[in-house]
Amino acid sequence: AQKVTQAQTEISVVEKEDVTLDCVYETRDTTYYLFWYKQPPSGELVFLIRRNSFDEQNEISGRYSWNFQKSTSSFNFTITASQVVDSAVYFCALSHPGTYKYIFGTGTRLKVLA
Amino acid sequence: GAVVSQHPSWVICKSGTSVKIECRSLDFQATTMFWYRQFPKQSLMLMATSNEGSKATYEQGVEKDKFLINHASLTLSTLTVTSAHPEDSSFYICSARVGLNTGELFFGEGSRLTVL
Repeated sequence: AQKVTQAQTEISVVEKEDVTLDCVYETRDTTYYLFWYKQPPSGELVFLIRRNSFDEQNEISGRYSWNFQKSTSSFNFTITASQVVDSAVYFCALSHPGTYKYIFGTGTRLKVLA
Repeated sequence: GAVVSQHPSWVICKSGTSVKIECRSLDFQATTMFWYRQFPKQSLMLMATSNEGSKATYEQGVEKDKFLINHASLTLSTLTVTSAHPEDSSFYICSARVGLNTGELFFGEGSRLTVL
């Protein structure tokens, strides 16, 4: 079975705090891709990162960083020094090269308070 | 990056009418497009896979006669919600694969349908 779990439904932090959004996935395939998307109130999906299953290197992009651990099937996303503009729903997703069908997690709503 | 555009961005219609939503790939050819549906405060659920020149493949539980999908060209897929009812009110998002084996999709801006 393929599944993506985002256990945190909603998180509230105060501006400048660091916050980590959790993502746990299930798949039997050895080749797969993991993604994070941001969905602001306007609704469009904003691509943040893609990671393939063979690349476990952690990645940092500005205030964003991602920790991919195959041993625990997790792909967590950390925002450092959060800002109000980071307020949005964040989705983790899993896909396979053959089908391109995305399996989305239920999303985590992040509220950053000024 | 590749650009996928949806039209209209939002639409309000009366119950019983049909609504068409267009999904266009602006700077690339998309042999395959995907339609997702998102209810308020919920996740995105795949409705169907649209292949250019052939019939769409629907996910289990999605009514084919209710949600008509046409992929007549390499840059356009349409979703028609037939005889819409209030329970069809939702956010519909299309996406397209570019063709490279990256596993990545490019998403449109979404279309918000409200059925009165």
